[in-house]
Amino acid sequence: DAKTTQPPSMDCAEGRAANLPCNHSTISGNEYVYWYRQIHSQGPQYIIHGLKNNETNEMASLIITEDRKSSTLILPHATLRDTAVYYCIVRALGGGADGLTFGKGTHLIIQP
Amino acid sequence: GAVVSQHPSRVICKSGTSVKIECRSLDFQATTMFWYRQFPKQSLMLMATSNEGSKATYEQGVEKDKFLINHASLTLSTLTVTSAHPEDSSFYICSASYGMSGNTIYFGEGSWLTVV
Repeated sequence: DAKTTQPPSMDCAEGRAANLPCNHSTISGNEYVYWYRQIHSQGPQYIIHGLKNNETNEMASLIITEDRKSSTLILPHATLRDTAVYYCIVRALGGGADGLTFGKGTHLIIQP
Repeated sequence: GAVVSQHPSRVICKSGTSVKIECRSLDFQATTMFWYRQFPKQSLMLMATSNEGSKATYEQGVEKDKFLINHASLTLSTLTVTSAHPEDSSFYICSASYGMSGNTIYFGEGSWLTVV
């Protein structure tokens, strides 16, 4: 699976949009971009995933650049409960038998 | 989303004993489950892939005789830490593939193991 690069930490004011970048310049054509987050002492929580089109769900939006070499996770109205480590992971299509490879992620801190 | 549950959430055991952690997919069948370990302030490390009805596949450096994995049904995988030592104290997390081609992986709540 392709490697991802994320900033180690970010701050965001409560109520503002949190934009978390991820670089995956070596992504292959059959690899999806996945985002998970881990709140302290809990298992990772699935947020969203996409291949090449922008995606939106009740938690977040995922914007993938046209060349697919980078993406941005957007939490539209951050709350204190969104403080967590956010992981950007790329994974091949049909990789149901393959586990996820976690990097160090971005520690997002929402400030009151 | 799909629900994956682990039990126990916390366990303390004596050095030299064995401890079993269960991972269940509550509302879907999972032919493949994964076990991770996470030490404080570190990221998750994949330990092994658990396949229903067959032997688990272990990542390099993970002792298969120490971390016994059984995936006896489509909704249950177990991890047994045998002859536990204090250095095995960690946060153990399971996950399961869900959906077409297993495109989404959901995680359990995690299990804290403390070996004293």
